Amino acid sequence: QSVLTQPPSVSAAPGQKVTISCSGSSSNIGNNYVSWYQQLPGTAPKLLIYDNNKRPSGIPDRFSGSKSGTSATLGITGLQTGDEADYYCGTWDSTLSAVVFGGGTKLTVL
Amino acid sequence: EVQLVESGGGLVQPGGSLRLSCVASGFTFSGYWMSWVRQAPGKGLEWVANIKEDGSEKYHVDSVKGRFPISRDNAKNSLFLQMNSLRAEDTAVYYCARARGYCRTASCYFYLDYWGQGTLVTVSS
Repeated sequence: QSVLTQPPSVSAAPGQKVTISCSGSSSNIGNNYVSWYQQLPGTAPKLLIYDNNKRPSGIPDRFSGSKSGTSATLGITGLQTGDEADYYCGTWDSTLSAVVFGGGTKLTVL
Repeated sequence: EVQLVESGGGLVQPGGSLRLSCVASGFTFSGYWMSWVRQAPGKGLEWVANIKEDGSEKYHVDSVKGRFPISRDNAKNSLFLQMNSLRAEDTAVYYCARARGYCRTASCYFYLDYWGQGTLVTVSS
């Protein structure tokens, strides 16, 4: 059971928008920055979003992040088949003194 | 270009040991925290350990504390994970990652901006 809770799967049609939620508590998301990672099939994870809503160089602005209270959200607009991947949220948990990840969300672009 | 290349994985019997290595290039290794993250087959990501730039601070997930010490050699741009008393549940792909962030009195702040390709560790008799 992961410390951060994500939906196991989401789906949407090409060109549409999807959001992926990440729910935590005051010991993690509520008091720390959230990052998001994309893992394409058979590859290593890749940083998508850091500091709740910042994109590293090279990440298109179709990807966005937000945080409110003890929850965070990843948004993806203009969905492409190449966006099919597993997405993970992550942050520091002050009670556990550990980096924690969500269980991951599998995105299917129908 | 930042590159992280892991090695040292393989098949090991329960109770055995392995030492994972990660060689970094393309950045000033001694200027960054580093991490190990693992992923069991068909499962999600699990953080394993972090080590400070100079090796003076280390954090481990509870399930590996006392068994998997993290270390580094800045002169050789290398990160290590010594895996002892291995169990079947340690079977996973182990990723080396560069960590951006810091730890202060009350808490830490990290995100992982570059990842290696991973090395598979299989614990089985």
